[in-house]
Amino acid sequence: QKEVEQNSGPLSVPEGAIASLNCTYSDRVSQSFFWYRQYSGKSPELIMSIYSNGDKEDGRFTAQLNKASQYVSLLIRDSQPSDSATYLCAVNKPQFNKFYFGSGTKLNVKP
Amino acid sequence: GAVVSQHPSWVICKSGTSVKIECRSLDFQATTMFWYRQFPKQSLMLMATSNEGSKATYEQGVEKDKFLINHASLTLSTLTVTSAHPEDSSFYICSGAWLADNNEQFFGPGTRLTVL
Repeated sequence: QKEVEQNSGPLSVPEGAIASLNCTYSDRVSQSFFWYRQYSGKSPELIMSIYSNGDKEDGRFTAQLNKASQYVSLLIRDSQPSDSATYLCAVNKPQFNKFYFGSGTKLNVKP
Repeated sequence: GAVVSQHPSWVICKSGTSVKIECRSLDFQATTMFWYRQFPKQSLMLMATSNEGSKATYEQGVEKDKFLINHASLTLSTLTVTSAHPEDSSFYICSGAWLADNNEQFFGPGTRLTVL
């Protein structure tokens, strides 16, 4: 079983819509959760981190964490074509000094 | 967020030569640095984890004698690809993190290696 699972997509949404990206993780001891955006040919860029259950909002982005269900999501409101990228979910288990990444979900925002 | 630089951003070399890639944390002290490799249209693959002043921990299947990692200071880690071959051509990305409440890691811009 993979540590972090994501649907590879592609997820296609029209411009202005809400894009919903989902991620599940296997180990309950995971403590920190992150969403990275990676444009083609570039390195990942941190866009959100979340550490406790509930929602965390930053501009057009909202991260949601449900530790009981071992589920993390990222909502992108008012999606723009510039949001088209691969979104990577990552979890951190400090006792192993490691981050585990999902394989990423490709998002296409159509004008 | 914190800034991590990598040098060079791209390199082309002949088969059999060695290539060194530098990773620097510019505005924070990275107690831990990670090295990843990414092939086209594939996900990040963690190669090794290095802590300042100690030997790197390599992931299964990664040859430590081929991919030499040195983390001599809290702001600098280097990856040397020794005796490079065409199959080593890839996008190499480092990241830095520090032991703090948030444990965020920040990525360098990556180095694209092409071995002829």
